[in-house]
Amino acid sequence: ETGVTQTPRHLVMGMTNKKSLKCEQHLGHNAMYWYKQSAKKPLELMFVYSLEERVENNSVPSRFSPECPNSSHLFLHLHTLQPEDSALYLCASSQSRRGKTGTSGGAENTGELFFGEGSRLTVL
Amino acid sequence: GQNIDQPTEMTATEGAIVQINCTYQTSGFNGLFWYQQHAGEAPTFLSYNVLDGLEEKGRFSSFLSRSKGYSYLLLKELQMKDSASYLCAVRDTMAGFQKLVFGTGTRLLVSP
Repeated sequence: ETGVTQTPRHLVMGMTNKKSLKCEQHLGHNAMYWYKQSAKKPLELMFVYSLEERVENNSVPSRFSPECPNSSHLFLHLHTLQPEDSALYLCASSQSRRGKTGTSGGAENTGELFFGEGSRLTVL
Repeated sequence: GQNIDQPTEMTATEGAIVQINCTYQTSGFNGLFWYQQHAGEAPTFLSYNVLDGLEEKGRFSSFLSRSKGYSYLLLKELQMKDSASYLCAVRDTMAGFQKLVFGTGTRLLVSP
């Protein structure tokens, strides 16, 4: 149990479907991330939200749409996906080293990522 | 640009010592992380180095040389449960917000 929960764990969808992935963190962190993990490729950063504002959109196709309604929840809305989008989608959270109060977030805040178990997506 | 290299796969025997190397080239550097990921599970944090030298944590140690762009993860007294992928990641500064850039991971297989 990492304190980051993702649902659903597995999702199969057709190319014309619309679905959403959900992530919730119980760690009081102020930054949340979506990563894509494909076989034999590095983890690819897709989106970053810090203090509920998006700070990174790594040239991700518009068929992926993130939403961060508050600091504990993050969604990834999916529509008209392609088979090559099949992958493991990992959500993560961290305590940004530049938090709301400008502090480091603790005596030993490395800003490490805490990952969820991932949502395994298959696009048919 | 950003480039992080680590071996794709390694094998070792239970009880042995194994060293997993990682070399990196990034535009900015503010720390290097090692994560462990078992098949079908979330990556979990193992170690963090920001200064040169060796950090020891039980059976696991991590080393960093910033001038050489090099790190290694050392696993001692290997156990079967250490069979997993080991991910090297560098924190690269980006417009004031620091992001982690990952290597492809090294799959370690520990045999009896």
